[in-house]
Amino acid sequence: GNSVTQMEGPVTLSEEAFLTINCTYTATGYPSLFWYVQYPGEGLQLLLKATKADDKGSNKGFEATYRKETTSFHLEKGSVQVSDSAVYFCALSDLGDMRFGAGTRLTVKP
Amino acid sequence: NAGVTQTPKFRILKIGQSMTLQCTQDMNHNYMYWYRQDPGMGLKLIYYSVGAGITDKGEVPNGYNVSRSTTEDFPLRLELAAPSQTSVYFCASRPGQNQETQYFGPGTRLLVL
Repeated sequence: GNSVTQMEGPVTLSEEAFLTINCTYTATGYPSLFWYVQYPGEGLQLLLKATKADDKGSNKGFEATYRKETTSFHLEKGSVQVSDSAVYFCALSDLGDMRFGAGTRLTVKP
Repeated sequence: NAGVTQTPKFRILKIGQSMTLQCTQDMNHNYMYWYRQDPGMGLKLIYYSVGAGITDKGEVPNGYNVSRSTTEDFPLRLELAAPSQTSVYFCASRPGQNQETQYFGPGTRLLVL
């Protein structure tokens, strides 16, 4: 079945550091890929998405590219801020069936 | 739009008690979902609905029931609470078949003692 594997956390970075959170997927079809972010005490919010191979999703300085050849959708940001501290979930949706990775907790220190 | 709202925010139950977690969305979305989130785990799908009057089981439905009498509301019922149901529960919705982004509520934290 479809599944998502995420880089284990937690990840701790200093402000302005470069961020990469790895995500790989297994799917039988042609899924859409997502990154969701969960701030403390809140629900998940869509951060970015990509619907087909080679698409790049971007939002708030975060980017991820849908790589079919490596079945990956790694999240990157060039310069993180304290306000980026949250849990990040990679997910795929195939015909509406959404599967989530385990989440990666990011802490950014001043 | 308020989006997806959930009540209560937090609840403590005793083993064997029952309760209903409420979920309402005001976006006229056809699809609605209930997930549970356990520590260090991703979200697991409990039940989902593709429209009023239509519900189906997800990955972990045991111990839960749902109903969908209106487009807006999708309550989740726990009949005999067990410690294994201690979790954070999220409701989500999406517009329709060709729109895959899900929109989440703020969650309900449930503790069963």
